[in-house]
Amino acid sequence: QVTLKESGPGILQPSQTLSLTCSFSGFSLSTYGMCVGWIRQSSGKGLEWLANIWWNDDKYYNPSLKNRLTISKDTSNNQAFLKITNMDTADTATYYCARNWAFDYWGQGVMVTVSS
Amino acid sequence: DVVLTQTPPTLSATIGQSVSISCRSSQSLLHSNGNTYLNWLLQRPGQPPQLLIYLVSRLESGVPNRFSGSGSGTDFTLKISGVEAEDLGVYYCVQSTHAPWTFGGGTKLELK
Repeated sequence: QVTLKESGPGILQPSQTLSLTCSFSGFSLSTYGMCVGWIRQSSGKGLEWLANIWWNDDKYYNPSLKNRLTISKDTSNNQAFLKITNMDTADTATYYCARNWAFDYWGQGVMVTVSS
Repeated sequence: DVVLTQTPPTLSATIGQSVSISCRSSQSLLHSNGNTYLNWLLQRPGQPPQLLIYLVSRLESGVPNRFSGSGSGTDFTLKISGVEAEDLGVYYCVQSTHAPWTFGGGTKLELK
């Protein structure tokens, strides 16, 4: 059974760095062709792909935020991570992690609020 | 970046009605490996999205066969043959052929 679960700080101040963790089970990020990605959704809005990391450690970022994003993984512990620097109120959103290019499994999401 | 344009933005339907959602891409989604990475997701209120259709027309395991996908190149369609109450929510197309991966703006399916 495949599951993913996001965790993060919940609330942070402008200019701080957001650190998110995606803990997953039922698959391995060392398996050929596997990847985990991060997607966010502002309240009442659509979905925005942020980044993904592949089994071979290839990483891809949304150019609109590329300089602020860092994705990484811990294969041994079945986790993927996303850091976003210089957070702004516009980054307030629910952040999801999802498996693969088909987005076939999603976590429940973690709500992140940026507020002073 | 690839822009996916979904129409209509809102769709009102009665139970049992068949409906279609269009997703048009600003460029061909045919990958050099021969696959077309166009998928359809449904997001019910308060829930994360769930995969319905992948690679244009392949039904995800466990998804009812009243859902079907078709299309090629730049034009794609999701059809629901006989809407049921559990189908209400927002439908998104998403492409993973070209980086950055992009989502359509969504189509909200409501009860008439």
